[in-house]
Formats: sequence, structure tokens, C-alpha cells
Amino acid sequence: AQSVTQLDSQVPVFEEAPVELRCNYSSSVSVYLFWYVQYPNQGLQLLLKYLSGSTLVESINGFEAEFNKSQTSFHLRKPSVHISDTAEYFCAVSEVQGGKLIFGQGTELSVKP
Amino acid sequence: DARVTQTPRHKVTEMGQEVTMRCQPILGHNTVFWYRQTMMQGLELLAYFRNRAPLDDSGMPKDRFSAEMPDATLATLKIQPSEPRDSAVYFCASGLAGLAGGPRQETQYFGPGTRLLVL
Repeated sequence: AQSVTQLDSQVPVFEEAPVELRCNYSSSVSVYLFWYVQYPNQGLQLLLKYLSGSTLVESINGFEAEFNKSQTSFHLRKPSVHISDTAEYFCAVSEVQGGKLIFGQGTELSVKP
Repeated sequence: DARVTQTPRHKVTEMGQEVTMRCQPILGHNTVFWYRQTMMQGLELLAYFRNRAPLDDSGMPKDRFSAEMPDATLATLKIQPSEPRDSAVYFCASGLAGLAGGPRQETQYFGPGTRLLVL
């Protein structure tokens, strides 16, 4: 069985500062990894995903995440955040041969002016 | 702009009443997921279907919850009887699974959710 741990429940940061949201996973089989974002009162939206190939994946709005198999991590980073990045971010994992997503508890990113 | 739709968006009901939540997956998607989100438990997978057949409903309380797909364009989640502890946001998501023998991962597209309050 897989599990996902998001190490920080809340991350306050000032606008234009860099941010890292940490995610570690546990699995005995090969996995796919995802980051979803949830804006207030909305559903979840896929931010980026790692399926195979390059371990560094990027989103269209400047976020990136790196798959580190040895450390079983998939941390999300952005070099300079905007107020509009304020949201809850969920890390998720699924088996390569399965369909279920297992979500972490979420990290609330709060960007202050 | 294809998206998952859910109705109702908000529901307030009294304990003991039946609640039905509906989901219209993105046209052409063959997998539908139901999740529940609460402050205490976070996001929990309740059930999911592929090609309208239930694949896993182990996350769903069997005595009061039921999930069905009457056709490819409609998924329903029912709670009967409802209890205050069922108060949560219920999300539906849909995806397109890979071909047989290929990777079985699919990106999940989430609906806006149904916010349920059971008094």
C-alpha cells in the first residue's frame, strides 16, 4: 500500500519569495506522482505530474517538482510566488498498474504582500 | 471547455434524510471517482468505476452509502440515512484510462464538489 506525507500543513511566505512544499511517499512498487492545487471553494486541479522520463517536471505557472527515487520525495518548488498562488496543495501517488490516487493531507500556502 | 459537473453544489438536510449527489463526467472519460473531503480526514477515496463497473468501493461505508453509474454520462452517490458525520465536501473526478496492457494511470479531472451539511 502507498502513503503520502506532506511535511508542512501550513506555509506562510511573502510575495516574490521562493517556496518549497515537501512531499514524501512510501510504496513497494513503481508509482506515478502528482501535485494538485485547490483554490478556495473549488475542486482540485492538476498542477503537474511525473510519469516517467526526466525527473524534473514543470507546470505552466512556474512551479516545478523533482522526483527523487532514493529519497522517495517529490517536493514542489517555485522561485518567486505571487499572491494568486495562495491555495492548498496536495501531493498524490498512484501505482503504475493501478488507478487509485492516494493523497497527502495537503499544505496550505499563504502568500502575503 | 470540457469539465466535470456536479449537482447540487450545496445541500443542507436533516439527519435521517436521503441525499443523492450527481456527477456528469467529461464526455469520453471511462473512469469516475468519488472522494470525500473533511478537515479531519482530508481527501478520502470512497469508490471508483471504470467503464461503469465498480472497481473499488472499499472506502465507502456500505451500510448507508451507495454509488452507481446508470449510464456513461451519470454517476450517483447516495447516502441513506444521512448522519451529521457525513457533512463534508464530496468530489467527483473523471479520467481516461489507458488501453489494456498499457499504463493504467489517468489524469483525474475534478468537479467543483457538493458541500453537504447534515443537521
